[in-house]
Amino acid sequence: AQRVTQPEKLLSVFKGAPVELKCNYSYSGSPELFWYVQYSRQRLQLLLRHISRESIKGFTADLNKGETSFHLKKPFAQEEDSAMYYCALSGRLSWGKLQFGAGTQVVVTP
Amino acid sequence: DTGVSQNPRHKITKRGQNVTFRCDPISEHNRLYWYRQTLGQGPEFLTYFQNEAQLEKSRLLSDRFSAERPKGSFSTLEIQRTEQGDSAMYLCASSLKRQRGGWETQYFGPGTRLLVL
Repeated sequence: AQRVTQPEKLLSVFKGAPVELKCNYSYSGSPELFWYVQYSRQRLQLLLRHISRESIKGFTADLNKGETSFHLKKPFAQEEDSAMYYCALSGRLSWGKLQFGAGTQVVVTP
Repeated sequence: DTGVSQNPRHKITKRGQNVTFRCDPISEHNRLYWYRQTLGQGPEFLTYFQNEAQLEKSRLLSDRFSAERPKGSFSTLEIQRTEQGDSAMYLCASSLKRQRGGWETQYFGPGTRLLVL
């Protein structure tokens, strides 16, 4: 069965500290993995996807197929990073259909 | 605003009533998705369209739910005989699926929050 697990509901960090959001998945095959973000009073938007291997707003995520993880990291958190973050998976046979984790609320305090 | 729009933004209804939500995707987008999000959970896939064809429906979509995209543009999601368990945020997303394949970015609307009393 396909599943996305985000074990932390809330992550509180100080400004300038590193932040890591955990995401584990189960999928039989090679999925596409994504991180979505929702800032306060804004709509859900794509942050990054593993296939792009890009860094967006200082965030990176590495797909570890051995550990079936796709953790999101940023070395120095900023106050504007406070938001809800969702890890999502799309299977190659169900191209486009996204399965989301429950989300992690990140609070960055000054 | 050329993004995905949804109407209404909020809906309060009594149990047993029917409700209909509308989604207007980004104009050139051929794919349209509906998701449902309950408190403390991530969005859950309900159904999606490519142009006017409904290609997949989740098991979450009971017989009381029906979605249409009659001209391949806007879409409606109707819930008949609403139940309290239908209370949720209903999200719409659209994307442009290119013929040569590959993954497309989904752009989400602001959602319609439904409360069933």
